[in-house]
Amino acid sequence: DAGVTQSPTHLIKTRGQQVTLRCSPKSGHDTVSWYQQALGQGPQFIFQYYEEEERQRGNFPDRFSGHQFPNYSSELNVNALLLGDSALYLCASSHTGGDIQYFGAGTRLSVL
Amino acid sequence: AQSVTQPDIHITVSEGASLELRCNYSYGATPYLFWYVQSPGQGLQLLLKYFSGDTLVQGIKGFEAEFKRSQSSFNLRKPSVHWSDAAEYFCAVVPNSGGYQKVTFGTGTKLQVIP
Repeated sequence: DAGVTQSPTHLIKTRGQQVTLRCSPKSGHDTVSWYQQALGQGPQFIFQYYEEEERQRGNFPDRFSGHQFPNYSSELNVNALLLGDSALYLCASSHTGGDIQYFGAGTRLSVL
Repeated sequence: AQSVTQPDIHITVSEGASLELRCNYSYGATPYLFWYVQSPGQGLQLLLKYFSGDTLVQGIKGFEAEFKRSQSSFNLRKPSVHWSDAAEYFCAVVPNSGGYQKVTFGTGTKLQVIP
């Protein structure tokens, strides 16, 4: 049973570019959440997707957007990258109504 | 505002010594409580959780945590630390309302284990 998988593992971009990160949830899970973890910080909630809609959002600008597909996989898109967007981006999946989230290993984004 | 505080940024313990990592939360009602561990370059692994009932919960890898409502605390403990426990530990909370599951994390405590 595969857990939460994220791709790519590492990514290097320059300021102003756009990036797409991908996440496949754990088998049987239908809810995907995204988190940003800056160096030396705890993860910060970006948003959550369920039934292909954004259900809840943290304090992140509109440059951060997402999508969920019918197979429950998800993408995180960040436009107009800033140096401050450099971080580990974590995806977590869960059952809707469940209270435990399972995390992937993350995508390390470096913005130069 | 809802918050989670881990007052210790960095802790060093000797292998075989006991460990306690502190966590305090500020919520309107008792939330669901979690401890996660993150090894370098890895994602987050769930160590244990508290939803209700017995206030002492057992987790994986020999960890346990005690919920104290009067102190709004959920401290993580291990009686004897192993070198492989060196990692970063995050306390996390989820509102006890079901459905939406936004997780709020503390800033983490980095554990160093010395021989």
